[in-house]
Amino acid sequence: DVKVTQSSRYLVKRTGEKVFLECVQDMDHENMFWYRQDPGLGLRLIYFSYDVKMKEKGDIPEGYSVSREKKERFSLILESASTNQTSMYLCASSRPLSYEQYFGPGTRLTVT
Amino acid sequence: AQSVTQLDSQVPVFEEAPVELRCNYSSSVSVYLFWYVQYPNQGLQLLLKYLSGSTLVKGINGFEAEFNKSQTSFHLRKPSVHISDTAEYFCAVSPVNTGNQFYFGTGTSLTVIP
Repeated sequence: DVKVTQSSRYLVKRTGEKVFLECVQDMDHENMFWYRQDPGLGLRLIYFSYDVKMKEKGDIPEGYSVSREKKERFSLILESASTNQTSMYLCASSRPLSYEQYFGPGTRLTVT
Repeated sequence: AQSVTQLDSQVPVFEEAPVELRCNYSSSVSVYLFWYVQYPNQGLQLLLKYLSGSTLVKGINGFEAEFNKSQTSFHLRKPSVHISDTAEYFCAVSPVNTGNQFYFGTGTSLTVIP
C-alpha cells in the first residue's frame, strides 16, 4: 500500500521560529509537492521537486524554502514563522506523467 | 493559465438522495481532470480521473463524472449518497504533458443528512 507520511499532525510554533515540516514517501516516486490548504482557497502549491536536489517554485513560495537531499524525503522550511502561515500543509508525491498524486495526512500548523 | 471553479462551497443533501457537485475550468491548453475527496482529518484521496476516451468516468464509492469539453465542465455525481460520503471534494486540472502540476478548485463541502 502506498504511503506518504508527515512528521507531525499538529504543530504550534511562535512567531519568528524556524519551522521544519518533514515528508517521507515509500513509493520511490520522483515527484514531490508541498501545498497549503486554507478555507475558501483550496490547495495552493508552494514548492515541488522532480528529483533529488532539484526544486521549483509553485504559486506561493514567499516565506518558504525546501530541501530534498534524498529521493524519499522532502522538507518544507519556514525560515521565520509568521501568523499568516497558520494553515494546513499537505505533502504529495507522484511518478512522472502518472497524473495521480498521493497525499499525506497533513500537518496543521498554528503560529502564535 | 489554468483556473478551476467550484461554485458550491457547501452542499447539504439527505441520505439516499442524488447529488451533483459542479466543477468548471478554464485553460489555454488541454488538461486532464480529477476529483479528489478529503475525509475529516485526512489527506486527499483520488476519486476519479479523466485522461482520454469515454467522457463518462466512473470512480470509487459509486461516484462518476462527465467531461464536457464545450462547456469546460467536469461535474461529479452520485445517484444515492451515504452518511460516509460526508467530506470535502476538490476538482483539479493538470495540463497535458507539463510534468504533473495540478491546479485545484476551492473545494465543496458535502454534508449528508440522516
